[in-house]
Amino acid sequence: AQSVTQLGSHVSVSEGALVLLRCNYSSSVPPYLFWYVQYPNQGLQLLLKYTSAATLVKGINGFEAEFKKSETSFHLTKPSAHMSDAAEYFCAVTPGYSSASKIIFGSGTRLSIRP
Amino acid sequence: KAGVTQTPRYLIKTRGQQVTLSCSPISGHRSVSWYQQTPGQGLQFLFEYFSETQRNKGNFPGRFSGRQFSNSRSEMNVSTLELGDSALYLCASKSLLEGTDTQYFGPGTRLTVL
Repeated sequence: AQSVTQLGSHVSVSEGALVLLRCNYSSSVPPYLFWYVQYPNQGLQLLLKYTSAATLVKGINGFEAEFKKSETSFHLTKPSAHMSDAAEYFCAVTPGYSSASKIIFGSGTRLSIRP
Repeated sequence: KAGVTQTPRYLIKTRGQQVTLSCSPISGHRSVSWYQQTPGQGLQFLFEYFSETQRNKGNFPGRFSGRQFSNSRSEMNVSTLELGDSALYLCASKSLLEGTDTQYFGPGTRLTVL
């Protein structure tokens, strides 16, 4: 069984500050992990994904995430926040061995950027 | 390559009616999944279709059904609508050839039940 926990339903940072969105996962098999972003009234857009290659994954818009097996974490970071980063972010997990399994999403973290 | 498209984008129905939502996946993608997104419950998986067969199903009542056509386009139907069915319904497609379970989402259909 798999699950995802996103710590903090709402995170607020100042423009130019570090963005850190936390995601912890539980998986009985090696997982594939994803971060998606959702802007108001839009669908989900893939930011980045971990598929058992490099543990530090770089995505779009300057975001990156590091897979830490020992901590079962896949936190999302961005060195300098921009106003356009304000959105909701979802962490997700699937088992890495099967493409037939459904993806499990976290509850989401809303990111606000203060001017 | 065109992305996932969903029609209609917005829909208003009344309780007791039924509704059909449509999703066209990315060309070449044979897997289509449907999700319901609400402020209270978040993103909930409805079902997945692959090659016209339902492969996975979430925990929704039988009022929610779907199908997939030979061209991979998918429809989702909700019968006897309830107020609680008001939500953003998202469709996602993926290519199993990628082998990474990466799902690509459409913009969603916003359903309001009055």
